[in-house]
Amino acid sequence: QKEVEQNSGPLSVPEGAIASLNCTYSDRGSQSFFWYRQYSGKSPELIMFIYSNGDKEDGRFTAQLNKASQYVSLLIRDSQPSDSATYLCAVNTGNQFYFGTGTSLTVIP
Amino acid sequence: EAQVTQNPRYLITVTGKKLTVTCSQNMNHEYMSWYRQDPGLGLRQIYYSMNVEVTDKGDVPEGYKVSRKEKRNFPLILESPSPNQTSLYFCASSPRAGIGNTIYFGEGSWLTVV
Repeated sequence: QKEVEQNSGPLSVPEGAIASLNCTYSDRGSQSFFWYRQYSGKSPELIMFIYSNGDKEDGRFTAQLNKASQYVSLLIRDSQPSDSATYLCAVNTGNQFYFGTGTSLTVIP
Repeated sequence: EAQVTQNPRYLITVTGKKLTVTCSQNMNHEYMSWYRQDPGLGLRQIYYSMNVEVTDKGDVPEGYKVSRKEKRNFPLILESPSPNQTSLYFCASSPRAGIGNTIYFGEGSWLTVV
């Protein structure tokens, strides 16, 4: 079983809509959860992290964590074409960081 | 500027010719790691280091070596590269592992082994 699972997509949303990205993880001992954005051929860039149950908002982005369900999500409000990228969910478990395979998002103008 | 620097960025090499990909960070981070990224497989951790002289295997360590003689440097060594090591490699660092510590990536190194 993979440590971190994401739907690969592609996910397409119209400009201005809300994009919803989901991630599940297998280890209940995981402590910190991250969302990264990666443009093709570039390195991942941190969007935000969360480590407490509930919601965390940063600008147009909201991360949601539900440890009981082992579920992390990212909402992108007012999606822009520049948000088109692959979004990686990452989990810190012990001394290691595990990444999902990413969800490809396309925002259609 | 806070950054993780890796070199070379692009390399084509031949099977069996030893190579080293260097990685350096200027943020005084304790934790450093190497990942490879392959289509459909995502980012997979090769090795990580909690601090100087402390290294551990990640999920895909076969065919790779690392060392951590200084806090800022964490080179990845391919003693005898093979074509299945053709990949995009990322070095990353974090203040430390554990809750609340984020991981920062270098720009990546494209490696092709023919």
